[in-house]
Amino acid sequence: DAKTTQPPSMDCAEGRAANLPCNHSTISGNEYVYWYRQIHSQGPQYIIHGLKNNETNEMASLIITEDRKSSTLILPHATLRDTAVYYCIVRVYGGSQGNLIFGKGTKLSVKP
Amino acid sequence: DTGVSQDPRHKITKRGQNVTFRCDPISEHNRLYWYRQTLGQGPEFLTYFQNEAQLEKSRLLSDRFSAERPKGSFSTLEIQRTEQGDSAMYLCASSSGQVGQFFGPGTRLTVL
Repeated sequence: DAKTTQPPSMDCAEGRAANLPCNHSTISGNEYVYWYRQIHSQGPQYIIHGLKNNETNEMASLIITEDRKSSTLILPHATLRDTAVYYCIVRVYGGSQGNLIFGKGTKLSVKP
Repeated sequence: DTGVSQDPRHKITKRGQNVTFRCDPISEHNRLYWYRQTLGQGPEFLTYFQNEAQLEKSRLLSDRFSAERPKGSFSTLEIQRTEQGDSAMYLCASSSGQVGQFFGPGTRLTVL
């Protein structure tokens, strides 16, 4: 089973920030938080990952709470093309364990 | 385009037939993964290769499924004696062990 809990769906107005929450209360000390998204009929796309510090790249920002039990993915200016299912995953960074364990994710709908 | 490619993109077959899918990973990636995704669900892990060695296999990978990665380059996934329950999107991903996994567009299998 997935180690994360996400709301099944969220709406966001185009141009506004989309804040997607994720709970991972059983995360281990050596596990990172990864975010992927899957646009309809495409393969999942890596977005960002982090351990305990906040991270930012050209796609998004990742805010991890101090106790690491939850995190938020922020899309600063959502566009219609950001409509997708967003998956929050915890796993060991570069570990020998291969697989990602996907839950059902959050379906984000960006509306004009 | 230097991303992960999969062939074919769509496959329709009759129950009982054998099918084979191909995945070409990003050239410098030594890790390759296969996942299966059914409608409304997140991807489920099937198997994982590091170079040519198959290091992990999921319980989902029944005896009818076999995967190979000769010479640590491209990979094939074969399903023998297909069943209607095999209908799904089959996703391939690759990584260098760092950052995240990069997914291909998937092969959609329909078993009639």
